[in-house]
Amino acid sequence: QVQLQESGPGLVKPSETLSLTCTVSAYSISSGYYWAWIRQAPGKGLEWIGSIYHSGNTYYNPSLESRLTMSVDTSKNQFSLKLKSVTAADTALYYCASKQTYYFDYWGQGTLVTVSS
Amino acid sequence: SFELTQPPSLSVSPGQTASVTCSGDKLRDTYACWYQQKPGESPLLVIYQDNKRPSGIPERFSGSNSGNTATLTISGTQAMDEADYYCQAWDSNVVAFGGGTKLTVL
Repeated sequence: QVQLQESGPGLVKPSETLSLTCTVSAYSISSGYYWAWIRQAPGKGLEWIGSIYHSGNTYYNPSLESRLTMSVDTSKNQFSLKLKSVTAADTALYYCASKQTYYFDYWGQGTLVTVSS
Repeated sequence: SFELTQPPSLSVSPGQTASVTCSGDKLRDTYACWYQQKPGESPLLVIYQDNKRPSGIPERFSGSNSGNTATLTISGTQAMDEADYYCQAWDSNVVAFGGGTKLTVL
């Protein structure tokens, strides 16, 4: 089955850019599927960040769209997230997931990103 | 974007039926799905496309979607079912999650 693993810095300074990568195993990204990022602030619910198709087409949460860039690297079987101008409100556990049209079927274990000086 | 509304909490006795609701206007036109999240774990898909169970999910989990309300039903609730449950829907390339319902089994 599909396996996903998030990686990236656990601490980012305010106003800087948060960058995360998700490495996919047991499935070739270029074969299809949508790929997504979801976050969960401490003690809070799930928030969809955005989705990207293997071709590079992207769909972003309107509330984050102005700060967000997602990309896919099929040669490395990875997809990535960049969120600029971060604040403490962006502190969260960030998950990557595989997405069928209507639902997320496989999730990574999540990586905690703290925004603090 | 659109919104999905869930009750923050629900309590049920072991062996009883738990019904978790999720309401939102867009549910009339799209599928709902449900995730279970236990402390320290990633969300787990338990129902997709309103009423389908992924492989490995017990039969006591079922779902329905009628009008503007989707419902996750857990029959014969067990202590291991204590968790947070989130509904989710997709419409026009935008995804929304409900705020989550904390299910307590006591």
